[in-house]
Amino acid sequence: SQQGEEDPQALSIQEGENATMNCSYKTSINNLQWYRQNSGRGLVHLILIRSNEREKHSGRLRVTLDTSKKSSSLLITASRAADTASYFCATDFQGAQKLVFGQGTRLTINP
Amino acid sequence: GAVVSQHPSWVICKSGTSVKIECRSLDFQATTMFWYRQFPKQSLMLMATSNEGSKATYEQGVEKDKFLINHASLTLSTLTVTSAHPEDSSFYICSARWLDLRMPQYFGPGTRLLVL
Repeated sequence: SQQGEEDPQALSIQEGENATMNCSYKTSINNLQWYRQNSGRGLVHLILIRSNEREKHSGRLRVTLDTSKKSSSLLITASRAADTASYFCATDFQGAQKLVFGQGTRLTINP
Repeated sequence: GAVVSQHPSWVICKSGTSVKIECRSLDFQATTMFWYRQFPKQSLMLMATSNEGSKATYEQGVEKDKFLINHASLTLSTLTVTSAHPEDSSFYICSARWLDLRMPQYFGPGTRLLVL
C-alpha cells in the first residue's frame, strides 16, 4: 500500500502544551500536505511542503520533512481546545496524479 | 473562504434509489477532481480521479458501474451512487486541484449519505 502511516493514532494533551504528530511514507513524493478535520466535517488544508523543502511554518504550526527517512512531522505549539480534531498527512507521489492519505492522528486538547 | 463546494451536505434515501452528489470548484478551474469516501473514525479512501472531459480512473475495488462519475466541466464533477444499499452509507468528499501540482489540493465539506 502507498498509504502513509501516522503516529500516534491518538494523542491527548493539556491546553497550552505542544502536540507533535508524525507521518511516514514509502515512495518518492512531489510534496506532502497536512490537513485538519473536525468531526463530521470536511478537510481544512494546513500546510504544503515540497520535496525540496525541509521546514515550513504557519502561525503555531511547524512542519518538517525528511526525505531521506521518508517522514514528516507536524508540531502545534501552545495548543488550544479548538485544535481538537483529526490531523492527516497526505502525500503526492511522483508519477501518480493523486493524493494518498495516512490513517490520521486524533488529537484531543483538554482544557 | 471555501474553494470547493458540495451539494447536498447530507442525504437520506431508500435502498435501491440513486443519489447524485455535486462537487464544484469556486473561483478556479479544476483540471482534476477526486472523490473519496470515509467511514467513521477512519481515513479517506480515494475512490476515483476524474479529469475534465475524460473518463474517470477508478481505484482498485471501486465499482465503476456503482459509482458513476461525470466531470463535464472544469468546475463541476458529479458522483452518482446507483441502486444504493445500506453499505453505501458513508461520508463522501470531493476535492479539486489546479494544473499546477505545486498548489494544495482543496476539499469540499463532504456529503453524508444514509441509505435506509
